[in-house]
Amino acid sequence: AQKITQTQPGMFVQEKEAVTLDCTYDTSDPSYGLFWYKQPSSGEMIFLIYQGSYDQQNATEGRYSLNFQKARKSANLVISASQLGDSAMYFCAMRERGSTLGRLYFGRGTQLTVWP
Amino acid sequence: NAGVTQTPKFQVLKTGQSMTLQCAQDMNHEYMSWYRQDPGMGLRLIHYSVGAGITDQGEVPNGYNVSRSTTEDFPLRLLSAAPSQTSVYFCASSYSLAPRTDTQYFGPGTRLTVL
Repeated sequence: AQKITQTQPGMFVQEKEAVTLDCTYDTSDPSYGLFWYKQPSSGEMIFLIYQGSYDQQNATEGRYSLNFQKARKSANLVISASQLGDSAMYFCAMRERGSTLGRLYFGRGTQLTVWP
Repeated sequence: NAGVTQTPKFQVLKTGQSMTLQCAQDMNHEYMSWYRQDPGMGLRLIHYSVGAGITDQGEVPNGYNVSRSTTEDFPLRLLSAAPSQTSVYFCASSYSLAPRTDTQYFGPGTRLTVL
């Protein structure tokens, strides 16, 4: 079974609107971290936001917020007030803290296009 | 801070050649790792290190070697390049593997083509 599932291959949003990118995860480890990364067309992987499995509140970083629903095993990224520069591939990732590998499991990504 | 740096940015090799991809970080991070990104396969862990002198294999280690002689540097060596190693390679680092300090920061990537 896939550890991280992103069901939206592509999403479109108009500038200044909000958009939600979906992410569900699968783990039996009670301690884990959830991460979102942005990969623009230039190719670099940019860290956006983090949520710990024991965190009581949803994480927020500027225009990014993470809608964490632990019982549903979902960690959706919400981008408010979209900008043209938000057009990129977005990856959800998870690290199971019971593993010493430190490995991040990545989803297949969602290509976000922001139009004027 | 420069963060995580990688060189070269692009490289073309012939089958059988060897080369080293360089990775360095100036954040005093203990944990460093190498991933490869392939279309349809996502990012896969090649090797990782939890500190100077300590390395171990990840998910897809065959054909690659690593060493960690200093905290800052974590080079990846391709021993005898094969077309299957054509990929984009990312180096990443985190302060540690403990909660709240295990966010991994990525370098800009190296795009490698093996002919």
